[in-house]
Amino acid sequence: AQKVTQAQTEISVVEKEDVTLDCVYETRDTTYYLFWYKQPPSGELGFLIRRNSFDEQNEISGRYSWNFQKSTSSFNFTITASQVVDSAVYFCALSEAVGKETSGSRLTFGEGTQLTVNP
Amino acid sequence: NAGVTQTPKFQVLKTGQSMTLQCAQDMNHEYMSWYRQDPGMGLRLIHYSVGAGITDQGEVPNGYNVSRSTTEDFPLRLLSAAPSQTSVYFCASSYSGVGNTIYFGEGSWLTVV
Repeated sequence: AQKVTQAQTEISVVEKEDVTLDCVYETRDTTYYLFWYKQPPSGELGFLIRRNSFDEQNEISGRYSWNFQKSTSSFNFTITASQVVDSAVYFCALSEAVGKETSGSRLTFGEGTQLTVNP
Repeated sequence: NAGVTQTPKFQVLKTGQSMTLQCAQDMNHEYMSWYRQDPGMGLRLIHYSVGAGITDQGEVPNGYNVSRSTTEDFPLRLLSAAPSQTSVYFCASSYSGVGNTIYFGEGSWLTVV
């Protein structure tokens, strides 16, 4: 069975600090996909990034960066120079196939990390 | 620019009542699903559909019913609401195939008293 672990339940930082959110996953699949989603206080779930298991290049998007390490089954997320608007719950998720002929994906979510950025 | 639309956003039900959470997407996605979010448990899959006329159970299907008569709509029915179904419900959709990005609606907050 697939599993995603986000060991940090809550993190609190001061604005402009860098912060890294950890994600460790378990899967027996050789091909898989990893995701990060952001859930701000308003409640909606916003997509941040998708990464497949064959692409171990780090990804940078503005102040956000992701470090995928297959050897340690980790997909960590770093926010550089954090801002108050970054305050949210962040979810890491792992996809697996569902349905006949792998016609869909099911996400296995971690429990989420509540990030609070204080001014 | 609608994406995935869920209604209602908030609902209070009495135990034993039934209701339907509506979900519609305008992205022509074949795959749709429902998740529930509970504190400390992340999101868990309730039911999913890989196309019109095809549905299947996810991780926590008991007490819920779904149907998919069109590509656009995927309603979730609570047959006889129980306090254990107090949760936040998210509808999601994506193109078919493994690993495609799954997009979520804004969530529906349901309280069963």
